[in-house]
Amino acid sequence: GQNIDQPTEMTATEGAIVQINCTYQTSGFNGLFWYQQHAGEAPTFLSYNVLDGLEEKGRFSSFLSRSKGYSYLLLKELQMKDSASYLCAVRDGSGGSYIPTFGRGTSLIVHP
Amino acid sequence: NAGVTQTPKFRVLKTGQSMTLLCAQDMNHEYMYWYRQDPGMGLRLIHYSVGEGTTAKGEVPDGYNVSRLKKQNFLLGLESAAPSQTSVYFCASSYSFLAGDNEQFFGPGTRLTVL
Repeated sequence: GQNIDQPTEMTATEGAIVQINCTYQTSGFNGLFWYQQHAGEAPTFLSYNVLDGLEEKGRFSSFLSRSKGYSYLLLKELQMKDSASYLCAVRDGSGGSYIPTFGRGTSLIVHP
Repeated sequence: NAGVTQTPKFRVLKTGQSMTLLCAQDMNHEYMYWYRQDPGMGLRLIHYSVGEGTTAKGEVPDGYNVSRLKKQNFLLGLESAAPSQTSVYFCASSYSFLAGDNEQFFGPGTRLTVL
């Protein structure tokens, strides 16, 4: 199985930068996804990492270190609308299904 | 394109009643999934399907059954609802997961309460 760990809740100030960490343990790592989920809504895809390094998409960046079993999502120039839950999901190919497993999510609260 | 749609959006059941949740997607995706989301527990996979006519168990399959008679539809059934099945249910679909950044597209969710 997989063990995926994220902080439960984080708070930050509008305009600031916040880093949301995700650590995982898996025997057949095959990719890591980040999703955003606003309260009462469906998750939506943010980013995908399979190789080490940083992937940048506008205000959002995602980093992966496979050797450390570690990823982070970096949100810059925070806006109030960034208040949401951020879900880390890890894909493991060792069992043959390749279905990603989700962490419990990090609730981000952005205040003025 | 409507993407992934779910019906109903809300439902209240009494213990022991049965119901079926319907998921439909118009993106010609091969893979479809049913998740439940409970406070503090994240998304947990109930069942999934890798193509028409196939289904497989996920992490928490007990008390649920599924069918994938048509590629675009994935049905989740509760034969005898229990209060522990009170949850928000999300359906999702994707092209595949064998490689690449094939993200999942999620439906709007069904809020189910079992009394």
